[in-house]
Amino acid sequence: GAVVSQHPSRVICKSGTSVKIECRSLDFQATTMFWYRQFPKQSLMLMATSNEGSKATYEQGVEKDKFLINHASLTLSTLTVTSAHPEDSSFYICSARIRPGDEQYFGPGTRLTVT
Amino acid sequence: GENVEQHPSTLSVQEGDSAVIKCTYSDSASNYFPWYKQELGKGPQLIIDIRSNVGEKKDQRIAVTLNKTAKHFSLHITETQPEDSAVYFCAAGYSSASKIIFGSGTRLSIRP
Repeated sequence: GAVVSQHPSRVICKSGTSVKIECRSLDFQATTMFWYRQFPKQSLMLMATSNEGSKATYEQGVEKDKFLINHASLTLSTLTVTSAHPEDSSFYICSARIRPGDEQYFGPGTRLTVT
Repeated sequence: GENVEQHPSTLSVQEGDSAVIKCTYSDSASNYFPWYKQELGKGPQLIIDIRSNVGEKKDQRIAVTLNKTAKHFSLHITETQPEDSAVYFCAAGYSSASKIIFGSGTRLSIRP
């Protein structure tokens, strides 16, 4: 139980285009989903927290107009990287939580490469 | 805000020996301390967690200790095996709040 999937697992896009990453909780309903970014050999940095049906809360320094997050249902959150640039190339990981106080279940990650 | 420091950044131990990874946190209000294992190209997996109402928790070869006074917690892996090789992250946060803050990670290598 408590499986989180991400799609796609890898994506390559050209500079200036947008790319959407999906995060799904497969066997539970997640009231909260989190998006992290991880550069090579570095830690996970929280980008934003999203609650179903409400606007995402972005961490300081994360551009909300560039990283669009939609949490339209209790099992799906999407991250759209708009006008992607090579410096946006990274490993993007989502996690999901059933309720406050519960552990976060992490997805397998999405490797984004912007050329 | 919370700040989590993790040491060492790399650790190499002989198969069968024990490995210890240490973390310190800054916010005395934090009460939830999970540990994650991340293999190359994959998302992190929770291996054990501890809450501030206990000082130690054990699950087979893995144990975590917490010292709230000193604000540090440690991961202990005994009888290490090759499959224990991975990057390990500690984290800290409030159990009722939204987010947890990750340490910088420890790359553990098990020598055969």
